[in-house]
Amino acid sequence: KQEVTQIPAALSVPEGENLVLNCSFTDSAIYNLQWFRQDPGKGLTSLLLIQSSQREQTSGRLNASLDKSSGRSTLYIAASQPGDSATYLCAVPFSGGYNKLIFGAGTRLAVHP
Amino acid sequence: GAVVSQHPSRVICKSGTSVKIECRSLDFQATTMFWYRQFPKQSLMLMATSNEGSKATYEQGVEKDKFLINHASLTLSTLTVTSAHPEDSSFYICSALGHLLGDTEAFFGQGTRLTVV
Repeated sequence: KQEVTQIPAALSVPEGENLVLNCSFTDSAIYNLQWFRQDPGKGLTSLLLIQSSQREQTSGRLNASLDKSSGRSTLYIAASQPGDSATYLCAVPFSGGYNKLIFGAGTRLAVHP
Repeated sequence: GAVVSQHPSRVICKSGTSVKIECRSLDFQATTMFWYRQFPKQSLMLMATSNEGSKATYEQGVEKDKFLINHASLTLSTLTVTSAHPEDSSFYICSALGHLLGDTEAFFGQGTRLTVV
């Protein structure tokens, strides 16, 4: 059974810091891994999608890496800004499934000026 | 990008009534849509998979007679919470499966905050 864990659960940092958010999953046979952002009371915004054949994806100040063999992914946020404050979720498809997602509990990020 | 619209964004209803939530893919066809539920400060839990023209597949522990799902077209799926009770109060989010640029990706609606009083 696939399980997704995110560390840390919460993070509070001053503006400008470079951040690393961690995601681990128990079943390495995944099609892809996706990172999302969720603002309070809002839906999900997809940040990065990494296919199983890829090792990383980049979008602006965000970089996500994937190591299937070790069951880990990291989301790197460069030069953090107050507008980055949100909950960051990682998700992988159900074992044997495709895009029916299992989510981690998320990392709640607060970036203060 | 692909846009998924969910309506309403917020609804308050009386205990015992039914509430319908709509999920639309605006600029793409989605043969498969998913419904998730999120309790406060918790992550998303998959409730059911909705396939166009067929019955939904529910996850273990989800009452299919309470959470009615209809996927009548390639752009619309609805979730009806029947005989709602306060414990059904939650944040409901839909996602639609789209195929863009050769990749298959799930796109999410903005969610519906349901409060049952």
